[in-house]
Amino acid sequence: GENVEQHPSTLSVQEGDSAVIKCTYSDSASNYFPWYKQELGKRPQLIIDIRSNVGEKKDQRIAVTLNKTAKHFSLHITETQPEDSAVYFCAASMARDDKIIFGKGTRLHILP
Amino acid sequence: EPEVTQTPSHQVTQMGQEVILRCVPISNHLYFYWYRQILGQKVEFLVSFYNNEISEKSEIFDDQFSVERPDGSNFTLKIRSTKLEDSAMYFCASRTDGNEQFFGPGTRLTVL
Repeated sequence: GENVEQHPSTLSVQEGDSAVIKCTYSDSASNYFPWYKQELGKRPQLIIDIRSNVGEKKDQRIAVTLNKTAKHFSLHITETQPEDSAVYFCAASMARDDKIIFGKGTRLHILP
Repeated sequence: EPEVTQTPSHQVTQMGQEVILRCVPISNHLYFYWYRQILGQKVEFLVSFYNNEISEKSEIFDDQFSVERPDGSNFTLKIRSTKLEDSAMYFCASRTDGNEQFFGPGTRLTVL
């Protein structure tokens, strides 16, 4: 089955700097890649997603890139703010409506 | 905006006892999911449910687990004889055709 690896497990960046989280997946049949933000004790919240027919997608300060050949995808957060502090999960799925396989998460700390 | 709801928010039980976790999906959604997150770990798929039957289940979803949609609004997860390792946050999710999954707030299950 699908396996999603995520790095780093912890990331600390100065407020205003950029943060990058990287993931790889194993199953070439996966074609939908959502990213979730989870605050302590809360539900995962979808922040951005990308389908396999697109190489890059941007939404304000958040962007995702996908390299299907290498089976890599990344999350980029620019101009980080204190409220960006949370755990971020990458995930993969065979379709937007299929089960979601999550990575292990990255705890992002935004330093003042 | 409609949301997935879950009850209870926290359930404490003794090992060996049965528990039922309840979810009310968004009203026009047709596909339902349960996920589990052990404290500090990633979110793991348990089971998907459509048209009153299980679509897919993971290795975690063994004979101790069952799901049911007893009426037009509720979706339940039953654990027949809880073990210590069942302690986790359990998230319900639902979706319409072809759309993203919406997660509920979760039920924290503590098995003593």
